Amino acid sequence: GEDVEQSLFLSVREGDSSVINCTYTDSSSTYLYWYKQEPGAGLQLLTYIFSNMDMKQDQRLTVLLNKKDKHLSLRIADTQTGDSAIYFCAERSNAGNMLTFGGGTRLMVKP
Amino acid sequence: EPEVTQTPSHQVTQMGQEVILRCVPISNHLYFYWYRQILGQKVEFLVSFYNNEISEKSEIFDDQFSVERPDGSNFTLKIRSTKLEDSAMYFCASISPGGANEQFFGPGTRLTVL
Repeated sequence: GEDVEQSLFLSVREGDSSVINCTYTDSSSTYLYWYKQEPGAGLQLLTYIFSNMDMKQDQRLTVLLNKKDKHLSLRIADTQTGDSAIYFCAERSNAGNMLTFGGGTRLMVKP
Repeated sequence: EPEVTQTPSHQVTQMGQEVILRCVPISNHLYFYWYRQILGQKVEFLVSFYNNEISEKSEIFDDQFSVERPDGSNFTLKIRSTKLEDSAMYFCASISPGGANEQFFGPGTRLTVL
């Protein structure tokens, strides 16, 4: 089946940029998403990118997509302590509407 | 801002018992989903529902599971005879019509099977 992989953990200092990486295997992906999960909370949709785009910027968030390498990244500029959470990458294939998730990257922001 | 809601937030049940997890999707959404996340594992797709019928389901969604939209607002997931391995967070999601098919998730129900 299709697979989405992420590194487990990232630690940055407040004010620095964070870059969270994701790789996927489904060549028919149509949309790719980033979700944020804070402790005890649900999955908050942060941003998404259509597969025919290579970059999308939304305030402090920049999504980069390398479709050839099936690599997606999320850059958070000026990372704040409130950005500490687990970040999930997910892809939606052409075959249906369901999402396939990565395992999540825990971002820790140190003051 | 409208949001997906789920009840209860935490359900504890004995093995073999039936549970019903409830969701109220965003009101103008048309596609509804259940996902689960076993502790320490990935979020996994269970089932999608459109136009009052299942449109896709995963291998996890076996005969022990069923979904229903009993009225215009609720969307339920029933597990007929719970097993220990059903313990997980269960997330409901719904999709906005048109656009980028953004899936909005509820806060989840933590199911603990003893």
